[in-house]
Amino acid sequence: GAGVSQSPSNKVTEKGKDVELRCDPISGHTALYWYRQRLGQGLEFLIYFQGNSAPDKSGLPSDRFSAERTGESVSTLTIQRTQQEDSAVYLCASSGGLTDEQYFGPGTRLTVT
Amino acid sequence: DQQVKQNSPSLSVQEGRISILNCDYTNSMFDYFLWYKKYPAEGPTFLISISSIKDKNEDGRFTVFLNKSAKHLSLHIVPSQPGDSAVYFCAATEISGTYKYIFGTGTRLKVLA
Repeated sequence: GAGVSQSPSNKVTEKGKDVELRCDPISGHTALYWYRQRLGQGLEFLIYFQGNSAPDKSGLPSDRFSAERTGESVSTLTIQRTQQEDSAVYLCASSGGLTDEQYFGPGTRLTVT
Repeated sequence: DQQVKQNSPSLSVQEGRISILNCDYTNSMFDYFLWYKKYPAEGPTFLISISSIKDKNEDGRFTVFLNKSAKHLSLHIVPSQPGDSAVYFCAATEISGTYKYIFGTGTRLKVLA
């Protein structure tokens, strides 16, 4: 079956522009996570969606970052007024429940010039 | 504050020998731990998990050990194979908590043929 997909795979943008990253989770997975991996660093938690509950946004680094999820389907991560330090690989993962393994997408590599 | 630490950024092991990857955590509330493997340009893939009610979990060549008193877990790969060469991340969460997974910074394993 289809895994987690993310688009675009690569995005180059100029500083100050807004970007939108998309994640299509595995069908039926109620949990969806966004992570960021900067060069040479580990995975940094950004935000977590679980069903209809309020999302856990505690990892979002600034108010320039926001994310939405439509029901238990697609999620978009939006970064406004991008800065060079936003350059990273943004990974999305979904799972069937908290203790279920997370299935990761291939990531979106964002480069802010 | 790095709650999950992988202090060895890299490790080289001869094919057929044992690979031991270590992970330390500081939050005593963590009660569920996972290991993920990541190849370049791909998202992480789940390897093995362990609950705090256990001290060992085995799956084929992979065994995870948990020492709660030391707040330490390790992943053993025996025998190591060249295809195991990847970056390994440990992750931890508190099941009854915020559902947020905290990842370590990763250890790059290179298995030499």
